[in-house]
Amino acid sequence: GNSVTQMEGPVTLSEEAFLTINCTYTATGYPSLFWYVQYPGEGLQLLLKATKADDKGSNKGFEATYRKETTSFHLEKGSVQVSDSAVYFCALSYNYGGATNKLIFGTGTLLAVQP
Amino acid sequence: SAVISQKPSRDICQRGTSLTIQCQVDSQVTMMFWYRQQPGQSLTLIATANQGSEATYESGFVIDKFPISRPNLTFSTLTVSNMSPEDSSIYLCSVLSGRSYEQYFGPGTRLTVT
Repeated sequence: GNSVTQMEGPVTLSEEAFLTINCTYTATGYPSLFWYVQYPGEGLQLLLKATKADDKGSNKGFEATYRKETTSFHLEKGSVQVSDSAVYFCALSYNYGGATNKLIFGTGTLLAVQP
Repeated sequence: SAVISQKPSRDICQRGTSLTIQCQVDSQVTMMFWYRQQPGQSLTLIATANQGSEATYESGFVIDKFPISRPNLTFSTLTVSNMSPEDSSIYLCSVLSGRSYEQYFGPGTRLTVT
């Protein structure tokens, strides 16, 4: 079946550190891949996406590249800020077998950035 | 992106009662989804709600427990019926953008069942 696996959290970093949050997926066919972010007390926001192999999604200094050969979509940021503290969810959506645009989420990774 | 509102934003309910959650979108959308986020966990899809047809439920979710209405292209409701403490969760609706095929989420309804 389809699934998403994220690295366990929490991830604690100092301000300006480099961030990587690992995400791998299992899917039949060619899913689209997403990163969503949930800031404390807020709803889920789409951070970035990639719809095909080798696509790079980017937003707010965050990047992730759709790697079909390693079935991965790792989230990176070169220099994190305290305001980046949130829970990050990796997700995939697929359209086959009668399913349409269903999102399957990873377990989420809590990022805490300290000043 | 669509602007999505949910009512109520939070509620505390007694065991055995039912709560209806409303989801309103500022534009017409074909596909709406309802998710559950249990405490400290990820999101799980409950059902897909298309206007003019019955909702499609995921494995483990049934219509008698989570009836859904979708009367038009901008509105949907999810009812959590005969609640138990295990239903304490955040319930979120989302919509599918017709152009970008991205999903946008409402702010969620935080439900506590005592």
